[in-house]
Amino acid sequence: GENVEQHPSTLSVQEGDSAVIKCTYSDSASNYFPWYKQELGKRPQLIIDIRSNVGEKKDQRIAVTLNKTAKHFSLHITETQPEDSAVYFCLNRDDKIIFGKGTRLHILP
Amino acid sequence: SQTIHQWPATLVQPVGSPLSLECTVEGTSNPNLYWYRQAAGRGLQLLFYSVGIGQISSEVPQNLSASRPQDRQFILSSKKLLLSDSGFYLCAWSVNSGDEQFFGPGTRLTVL
Repeated sequence: GENVEQHPSTLSVQEGDSAVIKCTYSDSASNYFPWYKQELGKRPQLIIDIRSNVGEKKDQRIAVTLNKTAKHFSLHITETQPEDSAVYFCLNRDDKIIFGKGTRLHILP
Repeated sequence: SQTIHQWPATLVQPVGSPLSLECTVEGTSNPNLYWYRQAAGRGLQLLFYSVGIGQISSEVPQNLSASRPQDRQFILSSKKLLLSDSGFYLCAWSVNSGDEQFFGPGTRLTVL
């Protein structure tokens, strides 16, 4: 069965507020945790990633946190802007490469 | 710098017809290559990946096949398309299996 669960599937956030998307994985050997952003009709692009030897990484308004004990990692977007509207995917790799099912983020004006 | 190309960008094919989608990468050697399918409004499903010439791993059994005739060329094929093959096909590459994947622009396939 699937070893990556991504929640929520859709998320609406008022512009300026924060958004959090979470992925849970099952393989404790996983050591690479990326997040991809896909704008409508375009290709996915990496926005941030983290390795298992750190618990948090931040890049301006975007951060990723990793909880290896609980086996989940989260994407945090602060001070959301209209251009943050997109679908976001996490990815997990153990024996297989599996993307999460995606979260459609809507930034409300 | 590295670039990845896919063609065609869009394709409309009748059921039962063959398919050939091509992906090429420039500016790197011995990349890991991937084929994904994305149905409308859905996530990315890994179809095939390759770690080297002639080495193809299939993730999902179906009527599609992949080949890697050259180091930086990855081809997705079908002998007979099904309606369910419609979708957005993305090729991607990475340096190693646990690294960032770089996606091509994609091919939007409609099977009628």
